[in-house]
Amino acid sequence: SQQGEEDPQALSIQEGENATMNCSYKTSINNLQWYRQNSGRGLVHLILIRSNEREKHSGRLRVTLDTSKKSSSLLITASRAADTASYFCATSIQGAQKLVFGQGTRLTINP
Amino acid sequence: AAGVIQSPRHLIKEKRETATLKCYPIPRHDTVYWYQQGPGQDPQFLISFYEKMQSDKGSIPDRFSAQQFSDYHSELNMSSLELGDSALYFCASSLGQGLNNEQFFGPGTRLTVL
Repeated sequence: SQQGEEDPQALSIQEGENATMNCSYKTSINNLQWYRQNSGRGLVHLILIRSNEREKHSGRLRVTLDTSKKSSSLLITASRAADTASYFCATSIQGAQKLVFGQGTRLTINP
Repeated sequence: AAGVIQSPRHLIKEKRETATLKCYPIPRHDTVYWYQQGPGQDPQFLISFYEKMQSDKGSIPDRFSAQQFSDYHSELNMSSLELGDSALYFCASSLGQGLNNEQFFGPGTRLTVL
């Protein structure tokens, strides 16, 4: 990817456990967004965190942003089988509106 | 709530043929973006429009063109199709040119070139 890398590329955990995915990027950003994609389907917007924010919550999701390290993490608590999907971070870089996506983390929740 | 609509959802074409993908943004959204996602890849930005004018351009081949119409819907025209054009094509829309505006994605058009 031009901008971001995600870590890990694949993650498999048991239902009820927490899942953490990381994203790193290279240039200054306006904001960072996380999306979920079920296999071959559309991108569902999960959460947007602005460059001046450090942490944001939405339901079972917690996103952190460290602009000094150019990294973000997505934590899904109390995972469910329905959380099985690919998760992408996407950055809106300064001076542009387009989103630059990371390579994605493929998350599998085992029942 | 109304979402982004894309048509068709699936399209099969032969090499060297042309294809037109359509995108209808969320009502009152004035900005449209096109992304291409190859198999197992992350989405790549192609082009965007704001108020019917091209606002940004990414890795869009010269064989592709796009435009936004007065009702804000957009069309992506693809000519001389190649096997490598097989991908999911997403349209997204947002309201305004704000730097922190969320982009809402449509379900995508799956293009298969044979």
